[in-house]
Amino acid sequence: QSALTQPPSASGSPGQSVTISCTGTSSDVGGYDYVSWYQQHPGKAPKLMIYDVTKRPSGVPDRFSGSKSGNTASLTVSGLQAEDEADYYCTSYAVGNNYVFGTGTKVTVL
Amino acid sequence: EVQLVESGGGLVQPGGSLRLSCAASGFTFSSHWMSWVRQAPGEGLEWVANIKEDGSVKYFVDSVKGRFTISRDNAKNSLYLQMNNLRAEDTAVYYCARNEFTAFDIWGQGTMVTVSS
Repeated sequence: QSALTQPPSASGSPGQSVTISCTGTSSDVGGYDYVSWYQQHPGKAPKLMIYDVTKRPSGVPDRFSGSKSGNTASLTVSGLQAEDEADYYCTSYAVGNNYVFGTGTKVTVL
Repeated sequence: EVQLVESGGGLVQPGGSLRLSCAASGFTFSSHWMSWVRQAPGEGLEWVANIKEDGSVKYFVDSVKGRFTISRDNAKNSLYLQMNNLRAEDTAVYYCARNEFTAFDIWGQGTMVTVSS
């Protein structure tokens, strides 16, 4: 199972929006509405930010939103704040009862 | 407080074995699928294995099939990963994570496994 493709980096100024893409295939992203997104600060464990493509767990700010079109899912962070600077990973349930993660995107707040 | 705490990592020679443990607290452990996810130094996340609530169903990533086994003891609120025939490429931080439907909603702090001679 190949990793989902994410851009290595993304950036924006405080208050701006940044969108991260996550491209897979019809065997994972395109085949299921089971995409989730994780935020990871250096040296820390990942934190769930979005699940089932668009849903936000309790406590996650509504500045974080998710979407999907075909084989590509996206995470948008609106109103960027300094604490949003982190690595972001997507993951999708995949055929064969697997999970596949994305390659990761480093978000920089300028 | 909902918490997962991993232990058992360390330095092991290629071909060796190691058993990781994950102690769960603050939630009904026996009601959740559980997973192991790893992260090689400077690299991304990789799902390794998961196990059904009662331990009857298990899935593995292809690269560890036949070498790793996953198990759980619901009476002890504990998850395990037995790793045999370890390779250099298994070097990583290993996280245990709770499955909530198809997402990983609670993560431990991770335990480092280094495979080197």
